[in-house]
Amino acid sequence: NAGVTQTPKFRILKIGQSMTLQCAQDMNHNYMYWYRQDPGMGLKLIYYSVGAGITDKGEVPNGYNVSRSTTEDFPLRLELAAPSQTSVYFCASRLPGQGAADTQYFGPGTRLTVL
Amino acid sequence: AQSVAQPEDQVNVAEGNPLTVKCTYSVSGNPYLFWYVQYPNRGLQFLLKYITGDNLVKGSYGFEAEFNKSQTSFHLKKPSALVSDSALYFCAVRDISSASKIIFGSGTRLSIRP
Repeated sequence: NAGVTQTPKFRILKIGQSMTLQCAQDMNHNYMYWYRQDPGMGLKLIYYSVGAGITDKGEVPNGYNVSRSTTEDFPLRLELAAPSQTSVYFCASRLPGQGAADTQYFGPGTRLTVL
Repeated sequence: AQSVAQPEDQVNVAEGNPLTVKCTYSVSGNPYLFWYVQYPNRGLQFLLKYITGDNLVKGSYGFEAEFNKSQTSFHLKKPSALVSDSALYFCAVRDISSASKIIFGSGTRLSIRP
């Protein structure tokens, strides 16, 4: 298993540009998450999905969009990049149910800089 | 609203000494609590969790955490620190409004000096 993979590892954007951060998992996990981590801060939830075709907003969804057409993939879209979106982005996944509750598996992250 | 607080931004410990990373929680009802670790340039890794039962929870890499309901705390501990334990540690709690989500603390940077 590759686990949770994210591409790209690094990216520099200009203000107003768009991009998609890719996330994929091969563990057949229903639940997937996108977080951002700002320096000295914890993780803030952007969007999450409990299964293909189902997405919901987290704590900081503004400026982002997601889709979940398959169980494996959960891309995050930035439409008009702003300097405030400079951050490290983490994708995570987990199985549903209390037995596996909250043990999330994280990808290695994407470091995004908007200039 | 539920939350977790990590009162220390940084903890410095000499190798071989015991370490404690503090976490307090605010939850109505029974909390589901977690510790995650983040090594440099990596994603977070699950360390341990408390759901119910024994107040002392053992996890990966020799870490353990003690759930204390009266003090609303869930401190992470290790009897003898290693330099390789140096990392960023996050306490987290399940969001009771949505079992799908967990809420992370701000993190504590643990530095172990040789």
